[in-house]
Amino acid sequence: AQSVTQPDIHITVSEGASLELRCNYSYGATPYLFWYVQSPGQGLQLLLKYFSGDTLVQGIKGFEAEFKRSQSSFNLRKPSVHWSDAAEYFCAVGDTNFGNEKLTFGTGTRLTIIP
Amino acid sequence: DGGITQSPKYLFRKEGQNVTLSCEQNLNHDAMYWYRQDPGQGLRLIYYSQIVNDFQKGDIAEGYSVSREKKESFPLTVTSAQKNPTAFYLCASTRTLNQPQHFGDGTRLSIL
Repeated sequence: AQSVTQPDIHITVSEGASLELRCNYSYGATPYLFWYVQSPGQGLQLLLKYFSGDTLVQGIKGFEAEFKRSQSSFNLRKPSVHWSDAAEYFCAVGDTNFGNEKLTFGTGTRLTIIP
Repeated sequence: DGGITQSPKYLFRKEGQNVTLSCEQNLNHDAMYWYRQDPGQGLRLIYYSQIVNDFQKGDIAEGYSVSREKKESFPLTVTSAQKNPTAFYLCASTRTLNQPQHFGDGTRLSIL
C-alpha cells in the first residue's frame, strides 16, 4: 500500500527566509504527487502536482517542488516566505493504477511565520 | 463561479442521532470523495464515488453512509454507530483520472 511521510510536524521560519518542507512516499511505481495548503477552518487548495516529465514543478504562490525518484521524495520549497504563507501543508500521493481515484495524504506540516 | 459547497459549516449531534452533511458541486465532476480530518492524522478517506448510483468504501467507512443519486450531490450521513464522530469533514471532487481533487470548505461536527 502507498504511504506518505511528512517528518516535520511544525516548522517556524522568519518572514523573508527560505522554506523547505519534506515529503517522502512509498509506492511501487512512479506516483502522482501533490502538495496542498490548508488555512485554519478551510478546505485544501492545490499548490502543485507532479504526474510525469520535468521533475521540478512550479506551483502557485511562488512554490516549487522537486521529484527525486532515488530518494522517494517530493519536497516543497519557496525562496522567500510571506506572513500569508502560514498554514498547514499536506503532501499526497495518488495511485497511478487508478489515476486520481484515491489519494493518500501525509499527516501535514504546520508552518508558522515570525516577523 | 464553479466550486464545492459544504453545509452546514458547524453541526452538533446528540447521542444516538444520525446527522447528514451536505456536499454539492457545480464543476461537472464525475468523482466525489468524503474525508475525515483529525488533528495530527491528516485526511482519511471515508467513501468515494466515481459515477452516479455507485460508491465504494474508503479506509474508515464504518459508522458512515452515503448516496449518489445525482452527479452534483454526495451527502454523508454520520450514524449513531460512529462512536467518535467529532472531526472536520471535507468533501472533494475531481473530473477523474489524472486531475487534482478540488475541496470544499468543510463541516465541523461536534457532539453535544
